[in-house]
Amino acid sequence: SQTIHQWPATLVQPVGSPLSLECTVEGTSNPNLYWYRQAAGRGLQLLFYSVGIGQISSEVPQNLSASRPQDRQFILSSKKLLLSDSGFYLCAWSAGTGHNQPQHFGDGTRLSIL
Amino acid sequence: SQKIEQNSEALNIQEGKTATLTCNYTNYSPAYLQWYRQDPGRGPVFLLLIRENEKEKRKERLKVTFDTTLKQSLFHITASQPADSATYLCALESNAGNMLTFGGGTRLMVKP
Repeated sequence: SQTIHQWPATLVQPVGSPLSLECTVEGTSNPNLYWYRQAAGRGLQLLFYSVGIGQISSEVPQNLSASRPQDRQFILSSKKLLLSDSGFYLCAWSAGTGHNQPQHFGDGTRLSIL
Repeated sequence: SQKIEQNSEALNIQEGKTATLTCNYTNYSPAYLQWYRQDPGRGPVFLLLIRENEKEKRKERLKVTFDTTLKQSLFHITASQPADSATYLCALESNAGNMLTFGGGTRLMVKP
């Protein structure tokens, strides 16, 4: 069966520090991969998605970047964190073929910027 | 632009009653709609998908309807239980395809 792992579960970082959040998927090949941010009590905002290795699309301009160095690995990064980067970050995958595919989420990283 | 609306106020119901949550959308015509459950501090979990040519979909105690004329989906949980307490999110296929646009979710509280 397929599984998705995100780490760390919580992270406290000072303003201006770098960031690297990692997400890996097991049990499937060539998945679509997604990074979302969820503000408290709000819906999910899509940040990045990827349909293949090295292919990244950004949905909103921001202080963050994403990379996909391997088929089942998706990394969210920042060179210098801002206070506004605080939030709940979720990684998700869906089957890479066809529409109508449900998305499967990791358990997220709670990021607090001090 | 695409807009999805879910009642931001929590829905409180008594155990055993039917919970009904609403998802309204404007400015696009999605080919399908999905519902997810999210528990505090966890990622959303997929529940049901309904296509535009389906009026109703059922899974155990869950029922989803999709009215493309009203641009609305209703999500029902029959014989609700305290364990059903969670936030429920609707999500629609975005115009760009292969991606979803999520509503803000409605929190459901089922009291024993």
